[in-house]
Amino acid sequence: GAGVSQSPSNKVTEKGKDVELRCDPISGHTALYWYRQSLGQGLEFLIYFQGNSAPDKSGLPSDRFSAERTGGSVSTLTIQRTQQEDSAVYLCASRASGQGAFWELFFGEGSRLTVL
Amino acid sequence: SQQGEEDPQALSIQEGENATMNCSYKTSINNLQWYRQNSGRGLVHLILIRSNEREKHSGRLRVTLDTSKKSSSLLITASRAADTASYFCATGGGYQKVTFGIGTKLQVIP
Repeated sequence: GAGVSQSPSNKVTEKGKDVELRCDPISGHTALYWYRQSLGQGLEFLIYFQGNSAPDKSGLPSDRFSAERTGGSVSTLTIQRTQQEDSAVYLCASRASGQGAFWELFFGEGSRLTVL
Repeated sequence: SQQGEEDPQALSIQEGENATMNCSYKTSINNLQWYRQNSGRGLVHLILIRSNEREKHSGRLRVTLDTSKKSSSLLITASRAADTASYFCATGGGYQKVTFGIGTKLQVIP
């Protein structure tokens, strides 16, 4: 597709269940970011993948959160044993490499997670 | 943690007026970006200003950067109802993570 695609767009789950959120970045983009946005709040950095380098996981709030990026393309954010405070919109963004395209992030529409 | 802090957090103006939003950041930067988010949507890149630039224009947008004060401002001139959105500044990028401020929620009243 032309843009960053995220699925599911909405997910309602029960406390204690595991969830997986998927991000398909723009083809060829080497960098991929995950952010969390609680209602009416700013973006909280979670994790950053850049090419084949080790990911920057410094924003993951607990060991219940993990993410992987397979084949340098699709990424999955996994939240284990979900808690009500995990309810938020999870945004994925990707970025190209190379001069003139090195900075701008392209965002997906987000996955809204509700933990009951 | 949030690198940037925007102020005001909320701004309400009449259509046709100018809107000014400010962003302060903590560490040295290579560039600063501004993004827009319509309600319930992803963010869209508006403009980037490099650390060696002081002012940049794009259409009705004007961005200034003062690295000595670690601050930036975004001015939207002749605002329209369609400009209603949240606006975020962001720092980082390249081979570093990009961090965002808490945003300014702008409402333009027709």
